[in-house]
Order: sequence, then structure tokens, then C-alpha cells
Amino acid sequence: DTEVTQTPKHLVMGMTNKKSLKCEQHMGHRAMYWYKQKAKKPPELMFVYSYEKLSINESVPSRFSPECPNSSLLNLHLHALQPEDSALYLCASSPPTGTYGYTFGSGTRLTVV
Amino acid sequence: DAKTTQPNSMESNEEEPVHLPCNHSTISGTDYIHWYRQLPSQGPEYVIHGLTSNVNNRMASLAIAEDRKSSTLILHRATLRDAAVYYCILSLGQTGANNLFFGTGTRLTVIP
Repeated sequence: DTEVTQTPKHLVMGMTNKKSLKCEQHMGHRAMYWYKQKAKKPPELMFVYSYEKLSINESVPSRFSPECPNSSLLNLHLHALQPEDSALYLCASSPPTGTYGYTFGSGTRLTVV
Repeated sequence: DAKTTQPNSMESNEEEPVHLPCNHSTISGTDYIHWYRQLPSQGPEYVIHGLTSNVNNRMASLAIAEDRKSSTLILHRATLRDAAVYYCILSLGQTGANNLFFGTGTRLTVIP
């Protein structure tokens, strides 16, 4: 299995809702990442997990809460989002050592209404 | 983090070679040069990476200048499926997660 699987593919949520995005990989990668991508912009790094521990939080608002329950799973919990948080949320994984390429999922298209 | 500079857009005729340039004048000795591409409605896809020597794989070739301040991604025969945004990114070649910070990229249009 050489894929990163993200679910759901599309999500519409209200500003008072709580939802979660899920990311899964079975390549044995011990580093996992969340990126946010607005239309016609490059992906922006949000969070980095290395060996299931949060190693980088790129000043992301607390309404985004990441979780890494095990080495194969990465979640992004969403609460009280704003319409400007509507974007494509991408998950990626990589081996944690060396300089290997990332494998990206196809993303979750989030719309906040 | 060291920054990269790429042209906003380029065009190529189908079945011709494409040379996508990238400047990274502030690169440090431990930075690896990565290239990713993003097709419409998809996540980024790894293309190639290197440190000092030129690299080849089934997708492309990476030519790195001797002073490492620039590099060129070479697609040997462009196809319509190569139309994408190509990102040149530097990442630290250390143990631990290798964080990739994307620049604005080059949008490649392939003309039939």
C-alpha cells in the first residue's frame, strides 16, 4: 500500500459544528503532516507529527486540533470554524529520517457555511 | 527557511522537452532540493529530489548547479498529463521530520 487516504473527500459544516478529518497510511512512515491549501495558492504547513508526537505547530488557531492516535492515523478536529477556513486540507506522510519524498493524500475539500 | 524563486508560468509543446528553472540563492549546505507537482484537483505528487549531484528517475531529471544556487527540473518529453503546478522546495536533510514549505510554483501548460 503506497497511498495516503483521506476521508471524507468533501465536507460542509456550519460555524457551530464539530467535525473531524481523517488521514491514514500503511507505509510505515513515522512522520505525518497537515497542510491547508486555499484556491490558487500553494499548500501551507499546519502541523507536523514525528513518531506520534506533535513537533511543529505553525501558529495554527486553536479551533484546529490535531491528533495522532497511532503511527498510521492522523486526525484533524475542527470546531467553531470560520468561513475563511474553507480550503483543501491535505495530509502527507514521510519516513522521519533522511530526505525522502512525501506522499500526499488527495485532500478533503472543506466548506464552512 | 531558505526560499525558492520560480517563474509563475511556462508553456511547452507536447512531446518536447521542458526545462523548469528554480533559484535558491540562500540554500544551506544541508538543504535538499525537492520537486513536487500538483495536478488539478489532486494532492501534490513527489517528482524528484537531490543534494549536489544530478539525479534521474522515471519521471524527470534534476540538474543542480555547481554552486547549488539554482536547479532545473527537466521533463524529457512533455505530455498533456504533465500540465500541473510544479513546486521547487528546499528541505533540511536532517534526522526528524523534513518539513516542506511550498513556494508559489510554476504553472506548466502543455500545448497539443
